[in-house]
Amino acid sequence: EIVLTQSPATLSLSPGDRATLSCRASQSVSSYLGWYQHKPGQAPRLLIYDASNRATGIPARFSGSGSGTDFTLTISSLEPEDFALYYCQQRYNWPGTFGQGTKVEIK
Amino acid sequence: QVQLQESGPGLVKPSETLSLTCTVFGGSISTNYWNWIRQPPGKGLEWIGYISYSGSTNYNPSLKSRVTISVETSTNQFSLKLSSVTAADTAVYYCARDYCTSSRCYDYFDYWGQGTLVTVSS
Repeated sequence: EIVLTQSPATLSLSPGDRATLSCRASQSVSSYLGWYQHKPGQAPRLLIYDASNRATGIPARFSGSGSGTDFTLTISSLEPEDFALYYCQQRYNWPGTFGQGTKVEIK
Repeated sequence: QVQLQESGPGLVKPSETLSLTCTVFGGSISTNYWNWIRQPPGKGLEWIGYISYSGSTNYNPSLKSRVTISVETSTNQFSLKLSSVTAADTAVYYCARDYCTSSRCYDYFDYWGQGTLVTVSS
């Protein structure tokens, strides 16, 4: 099973700041990595698929990069609604696995 | 707008079978792939398995011997059964739809239910 390690566990930032979230895989997942946003009491929301492709309707301030074992989700300028939990997920092999999450909180 | 809603008992006794249903609103279940995912308290997300619109299934090897996912197109629902449950099966259970573009589907999830907490306890 591929283990995804996300860092940091918590990111304390202010609206307007740039957020950089990391996801590292225990082995190569090629570019088969996605990112989700999850707010309490809501359904998770797919942001990025296959490392760098924005899902339908996702604002351009969200971008993804990386390949192999190291991936980054960047939020270029945090909006108030972006403070949430973020997960990465690999689909390189079955079953796909998720990281433990990074919480982006208001500083 | 597609919406998914999980339903089923919130409390299941040890050794019994956990049964959940996901109802799909605003879209047809006769396309796409439909998934169950869970999150135990304080732990990460775990993909349980999926069923296709045609009824083919794939299950997480760690749960395969206890899991059955089925689809009922007439009611736009799909279901999860997990047998011989223990306290380790206590989790929030989500149903979710595979993300598809015009050309193909991917093993990511674009629509999720809100999740339902199932507790295994006597």
